[in-house]
Amino acid sequence: EDQVTQSPEALRLQEGESSSLNCSYTVSGLRGLFWYRQDPGKGPEFLFTLYSAGEEKEKERLKATLTKKESFLHITAPKPEDSATYLCAVRTPLKGYQKVTFGTGTKLQVIP
Amino acid sequence: EPEVTQTPSHQVTQMGQEVILRCVPISNHLYFYWYRQILGQKVEFLVSFYNNEISEKSEIFDDQFSVERPDGSNFTLKIRSTKLEDSAMYFCASSLQGGTEKLFFGSGTQLSVL
Repeated sequence: EDQVTQSPEALRLQEGESSSLNCSYTVSGLRGLFWYRQDPGKGPEFLFTLYSAGEEKEKERLKATLTKKESFLHITAPKPEDSATYLCAVRTPLKGYQKVTFGTGTKLQVIP
Repeated sequence: EPEVTQTPSHQVTQMGQEVILRCVPISNHLYFYWYRQILGQKVEFLVSFYNNEISEKSEIFDDQFSVERPDGSNFTLKIRSTKLEDSAMYFCASSLQGGTEKLFFGSGTQLSVL
């Protein structure tokens, strides 16, 4: 069974204090790994798609990387507006189709 | 910026009743999805829809669930006979292309089954 584990569950940072969020996965046949941001009471907001080990994507203060077992979301000099829950999801084949499995997320709080 | 719109934002129903959750996807998108998130748990895929038919569905999407695109703009999720465990936030999403997770999500409908 495909598994996606995110750590830590919660992270509290001072503004400007860089850190990384982890998404480790055990799947059969990765078809893509995705990062989303979710604000309270809102739907997930797409951030990045990564398809192969060694791939990196950047957007403002965020950088996502991918290995064969895990992905990291690096946050450089975070600001309070980066506070949100960050979700990782993987897409894998299932019976001729593809399915999506989400992790439980990392709740990030950035303190001014 | 175009967005996915969901109505109602909150829905309270009695166990055994039918509910219809409504969504207006982004107008030029071709792929439509329903996800749900039980409080404190993971976001779970329910179903995807393309070209007026279901293209994928999960084990959760059993016979009590159905989806429909009744006209050119709406996409609905019907739960025929609600159960307590159906209480969750239901998210509609759409995408321009299939096989991508660059999905655009609505703000969700919080369904409470009493």
